[in-house]
Amino acid sequence: DTAVSQTPKYLVTQMGNDKSIKCEQNLGHDTMYWYKQDSKKFLKIMFSYNNKELIINETVPNRFSPKSPDKAHLNLHINSLELGDSAVYFCASSHRGAADTQYFGPGTRLTVL
Amino acid sequence: AQSVAQPEDQVNVAEGNPLTVKCTYSVSGNPYLFWYVQYPNRGLQFLLKYITGDNLVKGSYGFEAEFNKSQTSFHLKKPSALVSDSALYFCAVRDFGWYQAGTALIFGKGTTLSVSS
Repeated sequence: DTAVSQTPKYLVTQMGNDKSIKCEQNLGHDTMYWYKQDSKKFLKIMFSYNNKELIINETVPNRFSPKSPDKAHLNLHINSLELGDSAVYFCASSHRGAADTQYFGPGTRLTVL
Repeated sequence: AQSVAQPEDQVNVAEGNPLTVKCTYSVSGNPYLFWYVQYPNRGLQFLLKYITGDNLVKGSYGFEAEFNKSQTSFHLKKPSALVSDSALYFCAVRDFGWYQAGTALIFGKGTTLSVSS
């Protein structure tokens, strides 16, 4: 069974469109995250949620809106896509403790044309 | 603020030789340090972590890491490299804010390991 899954794996779209990426974890974790990996492979946190509550909201455009319907899901909705949004987006989950390991999904490669 | 540095963009090693991927950190308190590996077009896989205790941490796939507080380093090591170890390796430190839950990982820029046969 996949621990952290994301859909879709690839997403190709035009500038200006709105798209969503879904993430689900079956590890029983209460904390979930979105990270962005740019073209140089640099990874940076975007958001984290604990028990459906937003904990971290890094400086990302407000076109990005995370939504957590329950502890097992954290979706990422992106409005008015721009060329610079092209990247790989990773979902991750963990228990709430700072020492707890974060487990990552396979990533969603977003390409904005 | 917490940070990690991976001074090498690429490490090349012959199969069967020992390998080391370097990481240094900067934290204001006690560090929580992690190593992840990313294979091409794949997600990040957890290798090992240092929280407290023994300075030598053993992890997955025969990897280990040595925590050195005086040198603020957490180098990843393996006694005998395999071609299949070729991948991108990330060192990370846990970022502490005023909250504990949901604290993010701060990643280094990554080191590409290339193992030749």
